[in-house]
Amino acid sequence: EIVLTQSPATLSLSPGERATLSCRASQSVSSYLAWYQQKPGQAPRLLIYDASNRATGIPARFSGSGSGTDFTLTISSLEPEDFAVYYCQQRSNWPPGNTFGQGTKLEIK
Amino acid sequence: EVQLVESGGGLVKPGGSLRLSCAASGFTFSSYSMNWVRQAPGKGLEWVSSISSSSSYIYYADSVKGRFTISRDNAKNSLYLQMNSLRAEDTAVYYCARDEENGDYFDYWGQGTLVTVSS
Repeated sequence: EIVLTQSPATLSLSPGERATLSCRASQSVSSYLAWYQQKPGQAPRLLIYDASNRATGIPARFSGSGSGTDFTLTISSLEPEDFAVYYCQQRSNWPPGNTFGQGTKLEIK
Repeated sequence: EVQLVESGGGLVKPGGSLRLSCAASGFTFSSYSMNWVRQAPGKGLEWVSSISSSSSYIYYADSVKGRFTISRDNAKNSLYLQMNSLRAEDTAVYYCARDEENGDYFDYWGQGTLVTVSS
């Protein structure tokens, strides 16, 4: 079973700053990785799929990169509404299933 | 507009049963695989179960295998999760989520329904 490890657990930044979040897989997942954003009391929202493709309606300040085992979600200039928890996710064919990272909380400094 | 609306959550005693439902609208439900994902209070996301568009392929997380059953009714645009032998650790918000077209990610989510297992 593939394990996804996110770092840091908490990231404290100010609006306007650049955020860099990491997700590391215990074995290669090629480019089959997604990022989600979750705000308090809300369902998660798909941000990035296939490591670097923005989902529909996602602002250009969000970008994803990486392949194999190391992935990064970058928010180029933080807006107030970007402070939330971010999860990475991958799907495996065997054993069939889905794995999420433990999340990174992006908080206002 | 794609909408997923969960219902059926509530308080249940350990060992009890509960059936969750997810009503889908705004897309051709019968063309998409569907999933249940849960989130314990203050914790991260945990995938629970998946079902393919025609119910041919069904998968479960080890933590619920043998206790939970996923099903769907394409005529009613509905997804279900029958939960038996519930445990305290099953306490969570349960989300219904749609697979995106290529089938590797969750592109739409419901708002969730809370299941609390407690005596």
